[in-house]
Amino acid sequence: DVKVTQSSRYLVKRTGEKVFLECVQDMDHENMFWYRQDPGLGLRLIYFSYDVKMKEKGDIPEGYSVSREKKERFSLILESASTNQTSMYLCASSLRQGEAFFGQGTRLTVV
Amino acid sequence: GEDVEQSLFLSVREGDSSVINCTYTDSSSTYLYWYKQEPGAGLQLLTYIFSNMDMKQDQRLTVLLNKKDKHLSLRIADTQTGDSAIYFCAETTDKLIFGTGTRLQVFP
Repeated sequence: DVKVTQSSRYLVKRTGEKVFLECVQDMDHENMFWYRQDPGLGLRLIYFSYDVKMKEKGDIPEGYSVSREKKERFSLILESASTNQTSMYLCASSLRQGEAFFGQGTRLTVV
Repeated sequence: GEDVEQSLFLSVREGDSSVINCTYTDSSSTYLYWYKQEPGAGLQLLTYIFSNMDMKQDQRLTVLLNKKDKHLSLRIADTQTGDSAIYFCAETTDKLIFGTGTRLQVFP
């Protein structure tokens, strides 16, 4: 059974904290993605990665960075969390141009 | 640039057909997808269509693609309360771009 696992379902952090969101997939997929989901805005792509140590900016990369040291793991980093980064964060993985599999999401609240 | 648009809400009576529409901008998309998100869950692939097809049918689901107008639709026949969810269309070229999502509400 294919699986994308996000490390936390719910997270509460303080403004200014450095936040790490972890995502692991067990399908040997090349592509991994981070999205944030906000009401009325759908899913917006933050960063994606085609391969280990590769990363590409999505539509809203400001305030975020990513790390892909191993093929199965893609980390999203909020360097200094702000309240406007309160959102649902979704990780996904896929083969090239193939079906994307999603994690359950992490609901992050920044206070 | 890529942009995928959907209407935000659709409300239908149980047993009726639902039609969810989507417009996209990138004509080089190879695949177009429909994903379903149930409350509190991640997204799951519902169906997809290859860009050289006009139509695809899969049980109660029918996908229509008009490449000239860059219009994609998802028809759900005999809509059930269990179909209540948010439906996202997505296009893929080198990355996967989603629409805003359509919240389908099915009432008895």
